[in-house]
Amino acid sequence: GENVEQHPSTLSVQEGDSAVIKCTYSDSASNYFPWYKQELGKRPQLIIDIRSNVGEKKDQRIAVTLNKTAKHFSLHITETQPEDSAVYFCAASDNNNDMRFGAGTRLTVKP
Amino acid sequence: EPEVTQTPSHQVTQMGQEVILRCVPISNHLYFYWYRQILGQKVEFLVSFYNNEISEKSEIFDDQFSVERPDGSNFTLKIRSTKLEDSAMYFCASSSTSGSLNEQFFGPGTRLTVL
Repeated sequence: GENVEQHPSTLSVQEGDSAVIKCTYSDSASNYFPWYKQELGKRPQLIIDIRSNVGEKKDQRIAVTLNKTAKHFSLHITETQPEDSAVYFCAASDNNNDMRFGAGTRLTVKP
Repeated sequence: EPEVTQTPSHQVTQMGQEVILRCVPISNHLYFYWYRQILGQKVEFLVSFYNNEISEKSEIFDDQFSVERPDGSNFTLKIRSTKLEDSAMYFCASSSTSGSLNEQFFGPGTRLTVL
């Protein structure tokens, strides 16, 4: 089955700096790659996703890139703000709907 | 904006007891999922459900677990004989489609504590 690796496990940046989180996946059949933000005690919230027919997607300060050949995808947050502090999870799924998550990255943005 | 809802928000039970966790997916969604998250760890897929049957399940989803859609709105997860290691947050999710259009919306979770 699919195995998703995520790095780093923790990331601390200064407000205004950029943050990059990287994930790799193992199943070449995976075709959907969402990123979720989870604040303490809350549900995971979808922040951006990318499908396998696209290499890059951007939504304001958030962008995701996908390299299907290398089986890796990354989340980029620019101009970070303290409210971006949370745990971020990448995930991957194929047409069978069993979405597998990475281990999470705890992002801390220092004011 | 429609949301997935879950009840109860917190369930405490004794080891060996049966629990039923309830979810109301978004009304026009057709695909339903259960995930669990042990405190401080990653979200783990348990099962997906479509057209009144399980479409996928993980290695975690053993014979102690079952899912049901008893009526047109509820989607339930039953754990027959709870173990200490079942203590976790259980999230329900739903989506309108599958495959590469699979945007899943999560409920607020039920925190299960097994004593």
